[in-house]
Amino acid sequence: AQSVAQPEDQVNVAEGNPLTVKCTYSVSGNPYLFWYVQYPNRGLQFLLKYITGDNLVKGSYGFEAEFNKSQTSFHLKKPSALVSDSALYFCAVRALNSGNTPLVFGKGTRLSVIA
Amino acid sequence: DGGITQSPKYLFRKEGQNVTLSCEQNLNHDAMYWYRQDPGQGLRLIYYSQIVNDFQKGDIAEGYSVSREKKESFPLTVTSAQKNPTAFYLCASTPLPGPGDYGYTFGSGTRLTVV
Repeated sequence: AQSVAQPEDQVNVAEGNPLTVKCTYSVSGNPYLFWYVQYPNRGLQFLLKYITGDNLVKGSYGFEAEFNKSQTSFHLKKPSALVSDSALYFCAVRALNSGNTPLVFGKGTRLSVIA
Repeated sequence: DGGITQSPKYLFRKEGQNVTLSCEQNLNHDAMYWYRQDPGQGLRLIYYSQIVNDFQKGDIAEGYSVSREKKESFPLTVTSAQKNPTAFYLCASTPLPGPGDYGYTFGSGTRLTVV
């Protein structure tokens, strides 16, 4: 079975400071990993994905994520946070060899960037 | 512009009433999904469809029904059997039978409230 854990319900960071939103996963075999962002009363927007290749993935709005196979983690990072980054962030996973199974999402982490 | 349209944005249901949420996409995507979002619980899969005239139950299908008569449309009916339907409902689609390299494209959601 596939699963995703986002251990922090809320992350608070000062504007200009680096941010990290944590994600760990469990799948059989190699993973497809995704990060999405959600603003209030809106759908989710794609930020970045990891399929294969470099462990550091760059995405939209200056975000990046680091894939760590040994720790089964895919933490989202940004060097300098903006107030406009405040939103709900979701990590999602699907096993590479799982056929057509849907993505499994974490419970989300609310990021609050304080001016 | 291509995208996914969910309607209505807000919906109110009386006790014992069935309601239908609309999801239409003009992206020529093959697969479509319905998720339910509750605070602190992330996204839970209700139903998904990989091709026209075929669909599969997700983790929380009880009290819901769907149809996929056209590639562009995947309506969700919340029946009176769903005892706690108040939630935010999200529709998503992908161009392949599964997330593949694309991840999901999400609609803007429908907020359903029981009155």
